[in-house]
Amino acid sequence: SQTIHQWPATLVQPVGSPLSLECTVEGTSNPNLYWYRQAAGRGLQLLFYSVGIGQISSEVPQNLSASRPQDRQFILSSKKLLLSDSGFYLCAWSVRGGGYEQFFGPGTRLTVL
Amino acid sequence: TQLLEQSPQFLSIQEGENLTVYCNSSSVFSSLQWYRQEPGEGPVLLVTVVTGGEVKKLKRLTFQFGDARKDSSLHITAAQPGDTGLYLCAQGGDYKLSFGAGTTVTVRA
Repeated sequence: SQTIHQWPATLVQPVGSPLSLECTVEGTSNPNLYWYRQAAGRGLQLLFYSVGIGQISSEVPQNLSASRPQDRQFILSSKKLLLSDSGFYLCAWSVRGGGYEQFFGPGTRLTVL
Repeated sequence: TQLLEQSPQFLSIQEGENLTVYCNSSSVFSSLQWYRQEPGEGPVLLVTVVTGGEVKKLKRLTFQFGDARKDSSLHITAAQPGDTGLYLCAQGGDYKLSFGAGTTVTVRA
């Protein structure tokens, strides 16, 4: 069966510090990968998605970047965090060429102080 | 990008009562998914509906896709505290999903 991991689960960082959140998927090959941000109790905002190694599409201009160094690894980064980067970050995967169903990781709660 | 509207935004009911939440769009859905998210966790896929007029049941949950494929509803019968969570609808296209803002459901024991 497929599993998706995210770490860390929680993170508290000062403004201006760098960020690296990691997501890995097991039990599937060539997945589509996604990064979302969610405000408290609200819907999901798509930040980046990737259909293959090194292929990144950005949905929202911002202070963040994403990379996909391996087939089942997706990384979300920032060089300098802003207060507005605080939120709940979710990674998800879907079957390449399949339906649109997505499967989510447990999330990372980021607080920027 | 298709805009999905969910209503109501919040819903609080007593255990044993029924509830319905709605998802609407001005454009036709190709397919629609419903997810449930518990606090501090990632959303979990409940169902995908594809065909206009389609009805799917998952235990006490009934999902309906409108005939014109522009709306969907989720009905919960005899709600239980375990049904508490954020219910999200999402529509797919071009490798991506667009999510509604969600309905927060609280079932009081």
